[in-house]
Amino acid sequence: GQNIDQPTEMTATEGAIVQINCTYQTSGFNGLFWYQQHAGEAPTFLSYNVLDGLEEKGRFSSFLSRSKGYSYLLLKELQMKDSASYLCAVLDSNYQLIWGAGTKLIIKP
Amino acid sequence: IAGITQAPTSQILAAGRRMTLRCTQDMRHNAMYWYRQDLGLGLRLIHYSNTAGTTGKGEVPDGYSVSRANTDDFPLTLASAVPSQTSVYFCASSDRDNSPLHFGNGTRLTVT
Repeated sequence: GQNIDQPTEMTATEGAIVQINCTYQTSGFNGLFWYQQHAGEAPTFLSYNVLDGLEEKGRFSSFLSRSKGYSYLLLKELQMKDSASYLCAVLDSNYQLIWGAGTKLIIKP
Repeated sequence: IAGITQAPTSQILAAGRRMTLRCTQDMRHNAMYWYRQDLGLGLRLIHYSNTAGTTGKGEVPDGYSVSRANTDDFPLTLASAVPSQTSVYFCASSDRDNSPLHFGNGTRLTVT
């Protein structure tokens, strides 16, 4: 079966760095997405990786290793507004999105 | 402002009643999706449409139906609601197979 694993919850301190991991086992691979979802709101797109390596976008970076079935989202200089759930999703060989259950990130002052 | 509009924002519905959740997009995206989101389970695909006139079943289609008469609209119908359909429902659209999804603001549905 197809599976996406992410930690359920993480806690970090304002100003610090946090890494949210995602491992996947899917039928084929056509890219990996990260979304941010604040409580009570819709998910919003953060990043897309299809090739191995690091993609940097301001305070957020996303890394992919296709051979290891592994990705991480790196958040630097954490702000209170980064408190949200972070969803990992993989596009399989049929271009169907397989979603992880999400990681709830709690930022403490 | 371009985007996806869902209605209603929230609804309390008696079991056995019929309900249609509305979804309209103005981005001319070909693909549209309906997801439900339940605590601890993440997003689960109910139905999808790759283009106007076609629909397909997702992971959890039972008890739901959809139609795609045109590019912009993708309504989701619960023919006879049951309490297990209590959830937050998100409509989404995308331009191409590997494009990010754009989500509506969601409909919070409670079936009593």
